[in-house]
Amino acid sequence: TQLLEQSPQFLSIQEGENLTVYCNSSSVFSSLQWYRQEPGEGPVLLVTVVTGGEVKKLKRLTFQFGDARKDSSLHITAAQPGDTGLYLCAGVGTGFQKLVFGTGTRLLVSP
Amino acid sequence: DTGVSQDPRHKITKRGQNVTFRCDPISEHNRLYWYRQTLGQGPEFLTYFQNEAQLEKSRLLSDRFSAERPKGSFSTLEIQRTEQGDSAMYLCASSLARGSLETQYFGPGTRLLVL
Repeated sequence: TQLLEQSPQFLSIQEGENLTVYCNSSSVFSSLQWYRQEPGEGPVLLVTVVTGGEVKKLKRLTFQFGDARKDSSLHITAAQPGDTGLYLCAGVGTGFQKLVFGTGTRLLVSP
Repeated sequence: DTGVSQDPRHKITKRGQNVTFRCDPISEHNRLYWYRQTLGQGPEFLTYFQNEAQLEKSRLLSDRFSAERPKGSFSTLEIQRTEQGDSAMYLCASSLARGSLETQYFGPGTRLLVL
């Protein structure tokens, strides 16, 4: 069974602080995706990383895929209240695109 | 709105009743997925369709669960004889399979509470 563990589970910070969320697995994935989910809504895709060692930036968000394609990190610089939400990593296997989601990191950014 | 829609958004039912949820994917998307998300957890895969064919079902999908996509467009997920453990958010996603990468677009989900 492929499992994706995220840490931390919860994070409460002040506006302007930096943070990093980790996503770890013992399995190799063909690619890995990060989603953000707000209460009462479905997850929304933020980024897909494909190549081991790849780094992608999306404004204040930086995503990295581990060299062995088993782990990933999400770094947010100067967090804002609008960043509040549930962040989910999801591994994509080979073949059809079933997503294996991580356990989630709930982020609260206070003004 | 041309996104994925789900109906109803909320459902409260008594244990033992049957419920049916509907998902309308983005038009022209050929793949449709169902996931279940319990409180504080990430979504878990239940089943998926390529056009009207149901190609894989998770072991989470007991005999009480059935999903259909009769014309390759909308899909329904039925739960028979609901149990309290079925309480969860049921998410639908659709995608256009094209090459090795695809993006799944999620609907807002149907939140089920079984009393």
